Amino acid sequence: AQKVTQAQTEISVVEKEDVTLDCVYETRDTTYYLFWYKQPPSGELVFLIRRNSFDEQNEISGRYSWNFQKSTSSFNFTITASQVVDSAVYFCALSRNSGGSNYKLTFGKGTLLTVNP
Amino acid sequence: EPEVTQTPSHQVTQMGQEVILRCVPISNHLYFYWYRQILGQKVEFLVSFYNNEISEKSEIFDDQFSVERPDGSNFTLKIRSTKLEDSAMYFCASRTSFDYGYTFGSGTRLTVV
Repeated sequence: AQKVTQAQTEISVVEKEDVTLDCVYETRDTTYYLFWYKQPPSGELVFLIRRNSFDEQNEISGRYSWNFQKSTSSFNFTITASQVVDSAVYFCALSRNSGGSNYKLTFGKGTLLTVNP
Repeated sequence: EPEVTQTPSHQVTQMGQEVILRCVPISNHLYFYWYRQILGQKVEFLVSFYNNEISEKSEIFDDQFSVERPDGSNFTLKIRSTKLEDSAMYFCASRTSFDYGYTFGSGTRLTVV
């Protein structure tokens, strides 16, 4: 069975602070995908990143960066110099990566990030 | 950029009524999904659909639920007799066979009263 744990239910920061959202996952699969999605107050799911378990390189995209550590089964997400527009719920998700798996996503419970001006 | 379109964005229905949620996946996508998010909770997998049949379903997806791709473009989720606990945001998603990334629709908020 697959499981994603986002231990931080809510985080509140002041604008321009850096913030890290934690994600720990469990899977018996040797190959898998990890995802982060953003859900703003309007409710849609906005794709942020997909990472293959083969690729442990960290990734940076503007103010966003992701730290994938297979040894600790973690895929943490850092926002640098946070802005009010970053306020949202952030979900980490896991998918099997094998034929016939349907690639369904298992989501964590999400972290509500509030960035105050 | 291609989108997954869901209609309606918000639907209110009375308990016991049938409801159909509609989705238009991206045209060259082959795999289709429905997910559900009860307010304030995590997003949960309901069902996946490929080659005109259900490929996997969760425990949530009981006999009250059904899916259909009636005309090659729409992908629908039907709830036969709605219950209060069916109130949730329902997301449709689709993907190609080669790109494992999902495209989600913007969701339908279903309120059962």
